[in-house]
Amino acid sequence: QQPVQSPQAVILREGEDAVINCSSSKALYSVHWYRQKHGEAPVFLMILLKGGEQKGHDKISASFNEKKQQSSLYLTASQLSYSGTYFCGTRPVVDKLIFGTGTLLAVQP
Amino acid sequence: DTEVTQTPKHLVMGMTNKKSLKCEQHMGHRAMYWYKQKAKKPPELMFVYSYEKLSINESVPSRFSPECPNSSLLNLHLHALQPEDSALYLCASHPAEGVSYGYTFGSGTRLTVV
Repeated sequence: QQPVQSPQAVILREGEDAVINCSSSKALYSVHWYRQKHGEAPVFLMILLKGGEQKGHDKISASFNEKKQQSSLYLTASQLSYSGTYFCGTRPVVDKLIFGTGTLLAVQP
Repeated sequence: DTEVTQTPKHLVMGMTNKKSLKCEQHMGHRAMYWYKQKAKKPPELMFVYSYEKLSINESVPSRFSPECPNSSLLNLHLHALQPEDSALYLCASHPAEGVSYGYTFGSGTRLTVV
């Protein structure tokens, strides 16, 4: 039931782009994205509710392919502040947020 | 106030101790959650309270006992824990109504069982 993310880890130089994928074996009705820095709380980035929806703010955006049960997070022109672990999340039932396996992103100067 | 506050930030307890974790939010959210997170793993859902009623228990051992005294407070009572229960315990809240909102997490209590 837990969504699977890929890659597990990625190292970037500042200014490079990255894509993080989230895939579920079960139907996805919505997808959340969170970032967690080491020793800190997960922080909500965005939620996608409909298949085909794309969202973004600043240089972080996401897409949701409902038919393929997949979502992707796009980080453009990465900054040092983007470092952390990214989790997608799904809600198979109301009130139940299940996190994906996580992707560790390290941005180097 | 847009925060979830958890206390204490760190806790060391023996296997025979009884302790409690506390979580508080003043955003008017009506759903509150406990998650457990081991190092380098995603948070795992433990309990969900919706409108102060326990709605989900993810088969958590009875040595963990949740309590929701009111809509702003959530406690997790700990008793006779095992060393493998050492982890970061995260509290989260959600408006409950509306699917377009994200969850707000506290910064967690880092628990060590000795």
